[in-house]
Amino acid sequence: SQELEQSPQSLIVQEGKNLTINCTSSKTLYGLYWYKQKYGEGLIFLMMLQKGGEEKSHEKITAKLDEKKQQSSLHITASQPSHAGIYLCGADWGTGTYKYIFGTGTRLKVLA
Amino acid sequence: GAGVSQTPSNKVTEKGKYVELRCDPISGHTALYWYRQSLGQGPEFLIYFQGTGAADDSGLPNDRFFAVRPEGSVSTLKIQRTERGDSAVYLCASSLYASETQYFGPGTRLLVL
Repeated sequence: SQELEQSPQSLIVQEGKNLTINCTSSKTLYGLYWYKQKYGEGLIFLMMLQKGGEEKSHEKITAKLDEKKQQSSLHITASQPSHAGIYLCGADWGTGTYKYIFGTGTRLKVLA
Repeated sequence: GAGVSQTPSNKVTEKGKYVELRCDPISGHTALYWYRQSLGQGPEFLIYFQGTGAADDSGLPNDRFFAVRPEGSVSTLKIQRTERGDSAVYLCASSLYASETQYFGPGTRLLVL
């Protein structure tokens, strides 16, 4: 079974609409990393969350980690075509190996 | 540029051939990671280097895969006797220290015919 699940798998929204992407872990997270991926550009780091209840924002993107540190959400306000891409959450479960376990990603399309 | 770079960006090879994929991490980053991403999936961990040594190679699928980082900077992922199932995007990431955020390169798209 998938240890890190993302939902939805894909999302199509009209420009200007808000949207939320969720990431759920089967274990308590030591750190949760959000990345965006576009073709040919690899993964672009967005935000890292570590503390229960933590919330971070960058421009129109806000990410939160729940108090139990097993679920994170990424919220985009007033979406733009530039937000289109694949959003990936990566988990560090604090095992000391520092490898990230990634979800399968959420593919976002924003219609102009 | 100051980011992680990977070469080649694309590699097409025939089944059974040997390939080398190169990663140049961000200058000064001590930790380096290789991941593999298949179509429609998230990246999967292959190997992690701290300095010159492989600290965790538990993700390497079999003994056809090998990676080195001889001087603690550039790393090369080597795949022997390539198989069609090896086709994927190979991503490299680096971090200042192992516990810090990983920054990814653009990847090498490997296609084995």
